[in-house]
Amino acid sequence: AQKITQTQPGMFVQEKEAVTLDCTYDTSDQSYGLFWYKQPSSGEMIFLIYQGSYDEQNATEGRYSLNFQKARKSANLVISASQLGDSAMYFCAMRETGFQKLVFGTGTRLLVSP
Amino acid sequence: SAVISQKPSRDICQRGTSLTIQCQVDSQVTMMFWYRQQPGQSLTLIATANQGSEATYESGFVIDKFPISRPNLTFSTLTVSNMSPEDSSIYLCSVPRTGVAYGYTFGSGTRLTVV
Repeated sequence: AQKITQTQPGMFVQEKEAVTLDCTYDTSDQSYGLFWYKQPSSGEMIFLIYQGSYDEQNATEGRYSLNFQKARKSANLVISASQLGDSAMYFCAMRETGFQKLVFGTGTRLLVSP
Repeated sequence: SAVISQKPSRDICQRGTSLTIQCQVDSQVTMMFWYRQQPGQSLTLIATANQGSEATYESGFVIDKFPISRPNLTFSTLTVSNMSPEDSSIYLCSVPRTGVAYGYTFGSGTRLTVV
């Protein structure tokens, strides 16, 4: 069965610094997709970045990059130059090929301080 | 990407009553997903709703408690029935993103408090 593990319940970072949020996953499938979502206090889920299991390069979207290490089954999110607006919950999620649903990790609360 | 309008955004309900949550999508989508997020927890899939067929429920969720309607390709409702305080959660609908091969768009969520 799919499983996503986020071991950091909370992370603190100063504004303008980079931060890495950890995510490991477990699957027996060879084809899968990995996602990161941001959830502000308002409750909405904001898509940040996607990595396919067969993608050879790490995904990047603006200040977000995904450090994908397939052999280690890890998909860490790197946020460069943190901003106060980055304070939120961050969820890692996985989708296996053939299944449309997402399985989410427990999330990491990021707090960016001035 | 598709835009989802989810209503209500929040509600406070008495135990034993029912609440129906609506999601309207601005484009036609085959699949819609309903998630629950209990306080301080992650998102858990309740069911997948396909137009023209009965919803598929995940383990631990039953149709009598969470009936789902999917009358067309742009609309769905989730009802939380016979509510108890344990049903206090954020409920979110989601659809595959249009125009891209991956990703999902979420509604803005319904924050439900049962008293």
